[in-house]
Amino acid sequence: GAVVSQHPSWVICKSGTSVKIECRSLDFQATTMFWYRQFPKQSLMLMATSNEGSKATYEQGVEKDKFLINHASLTLSTLTVTSAHPEDSSFYICSAPGGGPWGGQYFGPGTRLTVT
Amino acid sequence: QQQVKQSPQSLIVQKGGIPIINCAYENTAFDYFPWYQQFPGKGPALLIAIRPDVSEKKEGRFTISFNKSAKQFSLHIMDSQPGDSATYFCAASGGATNKLIFGTGTLLAVQP
Repeated sequence: GAVVSQHPSWVICKSGTSVKIECRSLDFQATTMFWYRQFPKQSLMLMATSNEGSKATYEQGVEKDKFLINHASLTLSTLTVTSAHPEDSSFYICSAPGGGPWGGQYFGPGTRLTVT
Repeated sequence: QQQVKQSPQSLIVQKGGIPIINCAYENTAFDYFPWYQQFPGKGPALLIAIRPDVSEKKEGRFTISFNKSAKQFSLHIMDSQPGDSATYFCAASGGATNKLIFGTGTLLAVQP
């Protein structure tokens, strides 16, 4: 199946700083990627849709100025958490449509963010 | 209408048993129903998926049953093994976008 990578796999940052998370499709091109947030023992919550060459589309309630998304190329999307606070600590996961007859989204391994 | 309801929240079975996880949806525009398996600290992995034009799909030990009229679908895991212990999420997408709407998840424990 299609492979999606994320970097870093975990990051610790201090409150008030910014952190960037990368999402790459390794063996296919993705004009669209999705960013999710997952709190412990909870489901995945879609934050935004990243569109190559245009602005991201944010879900209701997600602060676009806090979670900056840039889809720089057909294989790379980045999520920057600006002025991070402890409540931003979470597991961030990206996905990309992998195509094929059954469609399907392929997920990255996730990035664990801890804000101290 | 965008929700996907999943049950049970948690499930314990003995090795070799057949856990069944159920999901229900309201939005008739949904036309793609995948199941994902997630281990702690990892991203979800696509297990199996179905579209509404078939009532059942089997891949290895995993089977999806789909009831279009009832707007329900379920995952069956045959001959379950301790290695199947994970959280399982159903999801649905369709309509104008391919955004996935996830169920709340089921924590499965398969006891040896």
